[in-house]
Amino acid sequence: NAGVTQTPKFRILKIGQSMTLQCTQDMNHNYMYWYRQDPGMGLKLIYYSVGAGITDKGEVPNGYNVSRSTTEDFPLRLELAAPSQTSVYFCASKGLAGVWNEQFFGPGTRLTVL
Amino acid sequence: GQQLNQSPQSMFIQEGEDVSMNCTSSSIFNTWLWYKQDPGEGPVLLIALYKAGELTSNGRLTAQFGITRKDSFLNISASIPSDVGIYFCAGHSGGGADGLTFGKGTHLIIQP
Repeated sequence: NAGVTQTPKFRILKIGQSMTLQCTQDMNHNYMYWYRQDPGMGLKLIYYSVGAGITDKGEVPNGYNVSRSTTEDFPLRLELAAPSQTSVYFCASKGLAGVWNEQFFGPGTRLTVL
Repeated sequence: GQQLNQSPQSMFIQEGEDVSMNCTSSSIFNTWLWYKQDPGEGPVLLIALYKAGELTSNGRLTAQFGITRKDSFLNISASIPSDVGIYFCAGHSGGGADGLTFGKGTHLIIQP
């Protein structure tokens, strides 16, 4: 299994541009998450999904959109990029709700907005 | 939102020394997890704790879930160069699918 994969690894955007960060997992996990990590900080939850067709906002959802059309894929969309969205973005997944909260992370996408 | 206070922020130690770091919360968590992040990589799970008072080991790593459910610590014994990285605590307060709350990390630097 490849686990959680993310593309691209790096990206530079101009203010106002849009892009989609891709995330795919091959572990048949129902739950998927998007976090952002700013320098010197912990990860903050942007959006999450409990299954295909179901998404919900996390702590910092403004400026982002998500969709979940399949179990495997959970893309994150930035419509109008702003410098405040410069960050490292991590996608994660987990297999079971309830007691087991072990989330597995992808390698990240480093985004710079100029 | 919930906040986790993780300390120390950074540690400079000699190879072979033991390391201790901890996390405290203003609210109760049902699960505590410890992750390690290497430069340019995503966090990797080290230890997961599910019961108050639980003490769990993974090789040279030992972590405990505090009795009050508001704190956790991670110890690393006999540190080696590959232990270098950023260690994050994370907590989960619900029983469902919502995300984790992360501390700001402890940056471990080992001098040979």
